Amino acid sequence: SQQGEEDPQALSIQEGENATMNCSYKTSINNLQWYRQNSGRGLVHLILIRSNEREKHSGRLRVTLDTSKKSSSLLITASRAADTASYFCATPYGGATNKLIFGTGTLLAVQP
Amino acid sequence: GAVVSQHPSWVICKSGTSVKIECRSLDFQATTMFWYRQFPKQSLMLMATSNEGSKATYEQGVEKDKFLINHASLTLSTLTVTSAHPEDSSFYICSAKGRAPGELFFGEGSRLTVL
Repeated sequence: SQQGEEDPQALSIQEGENATMNCSYKTSINNLQWYRQNSGRGLVHLILIRSNEREKHSGRLRVTLDTSKKSSSLLITASRAADTASYFCATPYGGATNKLIFGTGTLLAVQP
Repeated sequence: GAVVSQHPSWVICKSGTSVKIECRSLDFQATTMFWYRQFPKQSLMLMATSNEGSKATYEQGVEKDKFLINHASLTLSTLTVTSAHPEDSSFYICSAKGRAPGELFFGEGSRLTVL
């Protein structure tokens, strides 16, 4: 399977704390993306990091990419109850830029 | 921003019937769309790539006669689950390729329950 692995599978934190999720993938990539999914809903694109980038920020999100270890992390700072969702990393598949393979996901619960 | 609409958002059907799910790009043309299936508490699994004007490309293990995909226009792809069975119950999500490299927009998903 090409699917990436994410850890932890589930994470429960208090509001205001930081949440870190990790993703490992299997093949060489030119970019890695993170998505968010609220329960029973579609996916929302959060951030894309290219293979020549090591770190990228967007608001309270910080993404790192280590291509030598084939891993990425997503950090959400100062979490809010509204951040409760599943978070997935995704990588291009089969040489196609838009064809994505998703990681196993991390279910984040932020307690108010 | 670009919007992708899926219809219906949920559907319940009897075993043996066929169900059609539509995926529309509302304000842009999408030559390529992707269909995913997601079982409860699991990740999205890519089923097929839908190409406007040509046959869909299916991922390994996905039955093309079971999951019929039609992409007859630049704004519409349909997924038909034929002779549905309870094990086909799942959340089906489509995505549409945007203009920029790597740009992808997801629909809100369609929940299928087969009784």
